[in-house]
Amino acid sequence: GAVVSQHPSRVICKSGTSVKIECRSLDFQATTMFWYRQFPKQSLMLMATSNEGSKATYEQGVEKDKFLINHASLTLSTLTVTSAHPEDSSFYICSASWTGDTQYFGPGTRLTVL
Amino acid sequence: QKEVEQNSGPLSVPEGAIASLNCTYSDRGSQSFFWYRQYSGKSPELIMFIYSNGDKEDGRFTAQLNKASQYVSLLIRDSQPSDSATYLCAVNSRGGADGLTFGKGTHLIIQP
Repeated sequence: GAVVSQHPSRVICKSGTSVKIECRSLDFQATTMFWYRQFPKQSLMLMATSNEGSKATYEQGVEKDKFLINHASLTLSTLTVTSAHPEDSSFYICSASWTGDTQYFGPGTRLTVL
Repeated sequence: QKEVEQNSGPLSVPEGAIASLNCTYSDRGSQSFFWYRQYSGKSPELIMFIYSNGDKEDGRFTAQLNKASQYVSLLIRDSQPSDSATYLCAVNSRGGADGLTFGKGTHLIIQP
């Protein structure tokens, strides 16, 4: 149980384009979903927290107009990287929680912006 | 600022021995503590969590928590080469549905 999927697993795009990443909880309803980012040799850094039907809460330093988060249902959250630039290249990982505490992570999306 | 500190390693342990991984955290009000395993290029996989002081055992894994010392550890008994990975300590400071603060991880190598 507690399976979280992400799509796509890998994306390469040109600078200036927008990229949408989907995160789905497959066998449970996630009250809260989280988005993290991990640069090479670094740890995961929380970007934002989203609850179904509410606006996402962004961490300090994360541009909410650049990283658009939509949490339309209890099983789906999306992250859109708008006008992506090479410095946005990273490993984006979502997690989902139904207990309000333990988080289960998706497999991640590796974004490369050329 | 919340911080979670781990020795980056690499920590090299012979197969069959006990691997001991340590983590300290700065926020004294932290309530939940997690250990994740991350293989290169993959996302983290939950190993176990602990909320109360003391030990918690799950198979070959034992988590230890000492809130007074702000210290969490993970012991892996009978280490196997497949345990070679980066182990991430994560802390939930406020409890409930709150994002996790991760350490940078300890790279563990189990030598056959």
